[in-house]
Amino acid sequence: AQSVAQPEDQVNVAEGNPLTVKCTYSVSGNPYLFWYVQYPNRGLQFLLKYITGDNLVKGSYGFEAEFNKSQTSFHLKKPSALVSDSALYFCAVRDTGSGNTGKLIFGQGTTLQVKP
Amino acid sequence: EPEVTQTPSHQVTQMGQEVILRCVPISNHLYFYWYRQILGQKVEFLVSFYNNEISEKSEIFDDQFSVERPDGSNFTLKIRSTKLEDSAMYFCASSDTGLAGDRKFFGPGTRLTVL
Repeated sequence: AQSVAQPEDQVNVAEGNPLTVKCTYSVSGNPYLFWYVQYPNRGLQFLLKYITGDNLVKGSYGFEAEFNKSQTSFHLKKPSALVSDSALYFCAVRDTGSGNTGKLIFGQGTTLQVKP
Repeated sequence: EPEVTQTPSHQVTQMGQEVILRCVPISNHLYFYWYRQILGQKVEFLVSFYNNEISEKSEIFDDQFSVERPDGSNFTLKIRSTKLEDSAMYFCASSDTGLAGDRKFFGPGTRLTVL
């Protein structure tokens, strides 16, 4: 069965420091992987995705993520955190072996808290 | 950037009542979705919809649920007889191609509280 795990409920970092939000996945085929961010009272906003190609994917707001097939991971990273990055982050996967209807499987979300 | 909108932002209802959650997807999108998130749990897929038909649904999406695109702009989720366990945040999403790697645009959600 497809699944996504975000092992940390909350990540705390100081402004200016690098941040990592972890995600691991389990799929039967090749994964399509996504990161979304949710700010209070807003919908899920797309940050980046991995489909194929370069394992390091760059996205919005200076975020990037590294696809690691051997570790089945897709960790979200940013070299220098901003207070405004504080939000709820969701990792999601679509198993390419399960048809093409666009259904996403989400992780439980990680709250990122960036302190000044 | 275009946005998906949802109304109402918060809906309170009594158990057994019918509710309709409304969404206005992005205007040129053709694929529509509903997801929900029970407090403290994962975001879960409910249903996908294309060309006036359900293309996929989860085991959560039972006979109590239905979706409709009543006109050219709205996409609705109806729960016929709400249960306490239907209390959740419901997110609508849309995409233009529906492909597995396609970016989805999500609305801000409707918080449904069933008393």
